[in-house]
Amino acid sequence: GDSVTQMEGPVTLSEEAFLTINCTYTATGYPSLFWYVQYPGEGLQLLLKATKADDKGSNKGFEATYRKETTSFHLEKGSVQVSDSAVYFCALSENQFYFGTGTSLTVIP
Amino acid sequence: EAQVTQNPRYLITVTGKKLTVTCSQNMNHEYMSWYRQDPGLGLRQIYYSMNVEVTDKGDVPEGYKVSRKEKRNFPLILESPSPNQTSLYFCASSPRDSYSDTQYFGPGTRLTVL
Repeated sequence: GDSVTQMEGPVTLSEEAFLTINCTYTATGYPSLFWYVQYPGEGLQLLLKATKADDKGSNKGFEATYRKETTSFHLEKGSVQVSDSAVYFCALSENQFYFGTGTSLTVIP
Repeated sequence: EAQVTQNPRYLITVTGKKLTVTCSQNMNHEYMSWYRQDPGLGLRQIYYSMNVEVTDKGDVPEGYKVSRKEKRNFPLILESPSPNQTSLYFCASSPRDSYSDTQYFGPGTRLTVL
C-alpha cells in the first residue's frame, strides 16, 4: 500500500544554516505530494505541494521537487530562521491521505 | 474566515465515559477526516468521509465512531474511552476535487483518558 517515510528528528540547526529534510514515498499511481508544518500548539497547515512529476513546490523560502524516478520529495531551505522551528510532515494524496511521522526542527540563534 | 473548528480543545475524562468531539468546517468541503497524533507515530487516520452519509475506516478505527449527517459537521464519538485513546486529535477537511486535494486542519483536541 501507499506510505511515506521521512527522516527522523529531531533536527537542530543554527540560524542561517541550510536545511534538508528527506522524504520518500511508495504509491501505486500518481499521487500529489505535500509538506505540512505544525507550529507549537497549533494544527497542521500546508507549506507547499506538488501535483505531478518534476513540479517544484515553494513557499516562505522552502522548496521541494517531485522526483518520480527516486520517489522523493525532499524539503529544503537555504537559510533557516528561528521562526522556522516546528514539526514538518511529508504527505501524499492518492485514494487516501498518508503522512510521515514528522520531523521536529529547532533553530537556535 | 475559512476554518475548521473543533471542540473541546482539551478534555480529561475517565475510562468508559462516552464522549463526543465536534468538528465543523465552513468551506463547503466534501471530504472530512479524523486523525490522531502520537509521538513517534505521526498522524494516523481514524475515519474519513467523502460526502454526507458516506464514511469509511482509516488505519486505526477501533474504538471510534463517526457520523456525517450534514456536510459541515463530522463528530468523533468514543463510546467507551480507554487510556490508549489518550492522544492529540485533529479534524481536517478538503475539497478533494480535481483542482485541490489540500487538507485544512482544525486546531486539535488533546484528550486524556484516566
